[in-house]
This record gives sequence, C-alpha cells and structure tokens, in this order.
Amino acid sequence: SQQGEEDPQALSIQEGENATMNCSYKTSINNLQWYRQNSGRGLVHLILIRSNEREKHSGRLRVTLDTSKKSSSLLITASRAADTASYFCATWSGAGSYQLTFGKGTKLSVIP
Amino acid sequence: DTEVTQTPKHLVMGMTNKKSLKCEQHMGHRAMYWYKQKAKKPPELMFVYSYEKLSINESVPSRFSPECPNSSLLNLHLHALQPEDSALYLCASSQEDRDDTEAFFGQGTRLTVV
Repeated sequence: SQQGEEDPQALSIQEGENATMNCSYKTSINNLQWYRQNSGRGLVHLILIRSNEREKHSGRLRVTLDTSKKSSSLLITASRAADTASYFCATWSGAGSYQLTFGKGTKLSVIP
Repeated sequence: DTEVTQTPKHLVMGMTNKKSLKCEQHMGHRAMYWYKQKAKKPPELMFVYSYEKLSINESVPSRFSPECPNSSLLNLHLHALQPEDSALYLCASSQEDRDDTEAFFGQGTRLTVV
C-alpha cells in the first residue's frame, strides 16, 4: 500500500523557474524522505526530514514538513534541464523490519 | 563504496524460462529489498531480507523466489512468469534496525516477459 500521495502528478516548467511538489501521508512518521528517479533507472536519495523538523535545506532543495497536516513539500529552486526526473516521497513503516513505502510520485519536466 | 549493483540490466525471457536477477552491495547493510516498478508507478515492495532471513513477503506469487546467500548478495529467481510481470525490478539496501536512514538502490533490471 502507498503511504504518500504526491501532487501534482506531472509538472512542466521552464529552466530557471522553481518547482514545488507536495506529498501527503496517512500514518504517523518519524521522518520523511524524498527520492529522485531518472527515467527508467534507480532511485537516488535526496533528503530526509525528521518529524521534529519543519524545514530543511540541501543545495537547491528545500523540504518542509507539517506533521499536523501530514504533508511535506519539496522545492527545487532555479531548476535546470538536468532536474528532469520523477520525484517520490517515502516513509519507513514497521518496527524491527522496516519497509520503505513510496508515494505516487511527481514527474517533473524542465524545459531548456 | 556506496553502490548497489544489479545484473543483468536488461532481460527478455519466455514464459517457460527460468532466470535469476542478482544484486550485490558492500556497504555492510543487513537489510536488503526487492521492489517491482511498472511504468509511471512508484516502486512496490516485494520482499525484505533482514540479516539474511526473509522477513517480509508482500503476497508475491510463488513464481518469484528470493534468496539471500550471504549478507552482500540478493537473488531473485524467476520461473514461469507472465507477460504482466514485465517491469523494472529494483534492489535496495539499508542499515538494519534504523528508520532514520536512506535506502540505496541499484539501477534495476528491465524485465520483459514474452
């Protein structure tokens, strides 16, 4: 089952613009992660935000977490064509043997 | 070395064939995973191995048979697959007993069943 639901499902922007993707989740979490997937390839971890954090930055990435609304957002600033990829939020569930469950993802296209 | 290596990258097999997907990591991770991903969908968990023992099987059909020969290797044996099993199969690993860590993914095996 999927824990997170991304919004929008697809996003197309011009190079240099900012891209914002949202994720909602259903159960309580200790942290939330964002992953990136280039077309048909493996996933790469981008950033992890803990439940006691509201905002976190990494380079051009800014992630927010609102545990009261069970939602997170990923902002990519000054986008580049190379940012074209699918972006997924993910959460760990289960104790003792953890499962990483992904949201539906947002497909971002950055037009040069 | 922070790589998860999957072989082969591409595989075409008939419905009567037997084949295996292989995954290797040398990060000392004791949790390893198989995911299946269909086009335009998120990865779906199939199996979790914890300290070389199968801990989670997400109701996967028996035509998929996982194996963890040692802490660095993970195999997925395929037999009598159906065309709808065509997908990207992803292997991942992470530190065991932690839910504040990232998972490392291989590049996947693109499987086509004909």
